[in-house]
Amino acid sequence: GAVVSQHPSWVICKSGTSVKIECRSLDFQATTMFWYRQFPKQSLMLMATSNEGSKATYEQGVEKDKFLINHASLTLSTLTVTSAHPEDSSFYICSAGGRLAGNNEQFFGPGTRLTVL
Amino acid sequence: AQKITQTQPGMFVQEKEAVTLDCTYDTSDPSYGLFWYKQPSSGEMIFLIYQGSYDQQNATEGRYSLNFQKARKSANLVISASQLGDSAMYFCAMSPKYNTDKLIFGTGTRLQVFP
Repeated sequence: GAVVSQHPSWVICKSGTSVKIECRSLDFQATTMFWYRQFPKQSLMLMATSNEGSKATYEQGVEKDKFLINHASLTLSTLTVTSAHPEDSSFYICSAGGRLAGNNEQFFGPGTRLTVL
Repeated sequence: AQKITQTQPGMFVQEKEAVTLDCTYDTSDPSYGLFWYKQPSSGEMIFLIYQGSYDQQNATEGRYSLNFQKARKSANLVISASQLGDSAMYFCAMSPKYNTDKLIFGTGTRLQVFP
């Protein structure tokens, strides 16, 4: 099946710094990727849809200037958490659409655990 | 608005027994997809099964089957012959429209399989 990778798998940073998370589709091209956030013991919440070559589409309540998304190529999308604060600590997961990979399965990256001190 | 509801925060099942995890959904779109994912403690999302809204037959994948009742807007997951490794969080999700792959997730059900 199609593979999506994320880097880093975990990161600890100081409050006020920015953190970049990469999401790559390794064996298929993804014009659209999705970024989700998951707080402990909670469900995944869609943050934004990342579109290759255009601006991301953010869900209601998600700050565009706080969570910068760049879909630089058909295989790479990045999420930058700017001026991170402890409340941004969460598990961030990206995914790419199954239709683009040939079936209906959604392919998820392994996630990035962000801890802001 | 589209919504996924999982009413069982936790379920217990004995090894080798079958278990049903409930999922109901709400959408006004005639074309949609329904998914089940397993999330072990390591965090990765593992795809289990998919059901399209126009599929006539219930989806099956090995020990997993999806009991799709369109009129009731339910898409329950049935796991047969439970194994200890099935212990995890299980999320029901919906792609609300045909031309989008984004997913709306339910709150999840924690399944624990005991010997």
